[in-house]
Amino acid sequence: QQQVKQSPQSLIVQKGGISIINCAYENTAFDYFPWYQQFPGKGPALLIAIRPDVSEKKEGRFTISFNKSAKQFSLHIMDSQPGDSATYFCAARETSGSRLTFGEGTQLTVNP
Amino acid sequence: EAGVAQSPRYKIIEKRQSVAFWCNPISGHATLYWYQQILGQGPKLLIQFQNNGVVDDSQLPKDRFSAERLKGVDSTLKIQPAKLEDSAVYLCASSLVPRAQHNFGPGTRLTVL
Repeated sequence: QQQVKQSPQSLIVQKGGISIINCAYENTAFDYFPWYQQFPGKGPALLIAIRPDVSEKKEGRFTISFNKSAKQFSLHIMDSQPGDSATYFCAARETSGSRLTFGEGTQLTVNP
Repeated sequence: EAGVAQSPRYKIIEKRQSVAFWCNPISGHATLYWYQQILGQGPKLLIQFQNNGVVDDSQLPKDRFSAERLKGVDSTLKIQPAKLEDSAVYLCASSLVPRAQHNFGPGTRLTVL
């Protein structure tokens, strides 16, 4: 069973700080790595995604860093805001299909 | 564009009872997914449909779970009989084509007592 490991489980940062969430995967049968943001009572919403042929992707305050050789990728949230408080999931899509394998999630709290 | 609709939003049942969830995907989306999200965990795929055909049901507990998408649009997921460990949020997602972006609905929170 393919797995994606995510850390930390929870994270508290101050407004304006940088939030960093890390994920690692076990083998190379993934070709697309999205990050999802989930608010209580809502479904996950796509935040940003990267493919393994790119080492970094930035969209506004959100950046994905990807290390193919280490099989690791991370989400950086710059200038974190209280509105960013949510649960974040990394995921990986199998090369051979459409299934997303999700990490365990990180509950981010940004204090004002 | 209307998002993925799901109903009911909440359901409480006793163990061994049956329950059904409904999903209406985004108009025109051929691919539909059901994910199970247990509290404190990431979503796990239960079943994927392409139009009205099953593409992937390898993680569906077929002894108690069933799903259908008869006309290639709406879908229902059924659990019969329910167990305590089925307590979770059941998320429906759709995508325009296979391997395209997943669009998730708000989910149905099931509590089995």
